[in-house]
Amino acid sequence: NAGVTQTPKFQVLKTGQSMTLQCAQDMNHEYMSWYRQDPGMGLRLIHYSVGAGITDQGEVPNGYNVSRSTTEDFPLRLLSAAPSQTSVYFCASSYEGRETQYFGPGTRLLVL
Amino acid sequence: SQQGEEDPQALSIQEGENATMNCSYKTSINNLQWYRQNSGRGLVHLILIRSNEREKHSGRLRVTLDTSKKSSSLLITASRAADTASYFCATGMDSSYKLIFGSGTRLLVRP
Repeated sequence: NAGVTQTPKFQVLKTGQSMTLQCAQDMNHEYMSWYRQDPGMGLRLIHYSVGAGITDQGEVPNGYNVSRSTTEDFPLRLLSAAPSQTSVYFCASSYEGRETQYFGPGTRLLVL
Repeated sequence: SQQGEEDPQALSIQEGENATMNCSYKTSINNLQWYRQNSGRGLVHLILIRSNEREKHSGRLRVTLDTSKKSSSLLITASRAADTASYFCATGMDSSYKLIFGSGTRLLVRP
């Protein structure tokens, strides 16, 4: 099993550009989530999904969009990148939202 | 604001010593989990303790949970240089199917 995979590993964007961070898991988990990690702030929940076709907002959803068309994939879209979105983004999956999470390796995003 | 807050923010110990880090939280929980993050890597799950449990062990790890004080502690015994990492507590909420992370404790184990 590959577990949770994320692409790209690193990305540089200019302010106003859009992009999609990819996340996929092969563990047949219903629950998937996106977190951002900033220095000294721990992980903050952006969006999550409890199954295909169902998504909901976390603590810091503004500026991000998600969809869940399959169990395996949960992409995160930045609509118009801003410097405040410079962060490390982690995708995670689990069989249920408050149980053990399996994390991807992360995507480092720099917005200039 | 963060549900879980770790204390201390940073800890430096000698190899072979024990490391203790604490986590406090604010609202009712279903479970509390501890994760480790090596520099530049993703988080790895260490241990989960349910709200009706008081203590749990896994190898050199010991976790306690005191729901009356809304606090937990993680003890790493006989620490090794390889234990150098950031450690995060995360609370599985009683009221929703979310996991909320604290800001972490940075542990440095000196050889």
